[in-house]
Amino acid sequence: AQTVTQSQPEMSVQEAETVTLSCTYDTSESDYYLFWYKQPPSRQMILVIRQEAYKQQNATENRFSVNFQKAAKSFSLKISDSQLGDAAMYFCAYRSARETSGSRLTFGEGTQLTVNP
Amino acid sequence: GAVVSQHPSRVICKSGTSVKIECRSLDFQATTMFWYRQFPKQSLMLMATSNEGSKATYEQGVEKDKFLINHASLTLSTLTVTSAHPEDSSFYICSARVGRGGDQYFGPGTRLTVT
Repeated sequence: AQTVTQSQPEMSVQEAETVTLSCTYDTSESDYYLFWYKQPPSRQMILVIRQEAYKQQNATENRFSVNFQKAAKSFSLKISDSQLGDAAMYFCAYRSARETSGSRLTFGEGTQLTVNP
Repeated sequence: GAVVSQHPSRVICKSGTSVKIECRSLDFQATTMFWYRQFPKQSLMLMATSNEGSKATYEQGVEKDKFLINHASLTLSTLTVTSAHPEDSSFYICSARVGRGGDQYFGPGTRLTVT
């Protein structure tokens, strides 16, 4: 079974600075997807960024980028120019590419990000 | 696109009663929907996978007779918490899968409080 680990329960960053959130995972599969979701105080889960394992290029979405290290099974999220609205719980998630997996997501424990003005 | 709604957003019910939560995909058809439970400051725990027109698949440890899931159409899945007790109080989140093997998009969640 796949597992996802986020070793930082809490992180803080100064507004306009850069912060990196860590995520490691364990799988025996070679084809899969990785995600970062954001859950602000409203509790609405928002997809921040996704990465296909077969792509070597790291995904980027505006101020958000990932460092995907497939051999190390590491998938960190970098937030540049942090804004107050980035404050939220961030979840790393894994999804198998096998159709029989049913698109199930396996979530990490989450990292609570605080942005200080 | 890919908007998922949930109703109600919050509900308070008395112990022993049942409560129904609706999950709708507003602008797409979802053959598969998922139901999660989330306790404060914890991660999402998958309760069950709901496929349109068939029985839901429950995760280990989830009581299927207590958490009834119905996925009667391609845009609606419902979760009924039967004979609710205070320990069922939690935040329930649904998601819908876009297309075959597609990503999940999440509803805004329902806060259930059982008194």
